[in-house]
Amino acid sequence: GENVEQHPSTLSVQEGDSAVIKCTYSDSASNYFPWYKQELGKRPQLIIDIRSNVGEKKDQRIAVTLNKTAKHFSLHITETQPEDSAVYFCAAIYSGGYQKVTFGIGTKLQVIP
Amino acid sequence: GAGVSQSPSNKVTEKGKDVELRCDPISGHTALYWYRQSLGQGLEFLIYFQGNSAPDKSGLPSDRFSAERTGGSVSTLTIQRTQQEDSAVYLCASSSSALYGYTFGSGTRLTVV
Repeated sequence: GENVEQHPSTLSVQEGDSAVIKCTYSDSASNYFPWYKQELGKRPQLIIDIRSNVGEKKDQRIAVTLNKTAKHFSLHITETQPEDSAVYFCAAIYSGGYQKVTFGIGTKLQVIP
Repeated sequence: GAGVSQSPSNKVTEKGKDVELRCDPISGHTALYWYRQSLGQGLEFLIYFQGNSAPDKSGLPSDRFSAERTGGSVSTLTIQRTQQEDSAVYLCASSSSALYGYTFGSGTRLTVV
């Protein structure tokens, strides 16, 4: 089955700096990679996703890159703000047949004002 | 409904009692997932429904845990003879397609005393 590794588990950055979270996956059939943000005490919410036919996707200060050959994908947050502080989860999904969803363990991001 | 609805939002139960947790997915979403999240931990997969069937029950921790889904809509997660280690937030998520990510409910915080 799919195995998703995520690192770092915790990350502290100064406000305004960039943050990068990396995930690797094992199943080359996985073709969809969403990222979720979970603020303290709240539900995880989808913030950005990328499909396997795309190498990079941006949405304002957030970007995700995908390297299918190396089987890794990353979340990049630029000009970090205190409200970016949360736990971020990556996931790898194979959309064909059984929609197995495997999450990474999560990265706790702290943005220091 | 507009989102995934879970009830109750909080449940305190005595050790040994049975509990039922309910998830009402977004209308039309055929895929439904249950996850468990212990304090400060990641998302632990429990069970996946496609329609009314459960192709993957591999995450259920023991035979005290069971789940069903009726009418391709509402799902109930039942925990029998609750133990203190069952204390966690139980999250439900639904999706129309894995390629569109999925939406989480707000969760049920279960405390076994």
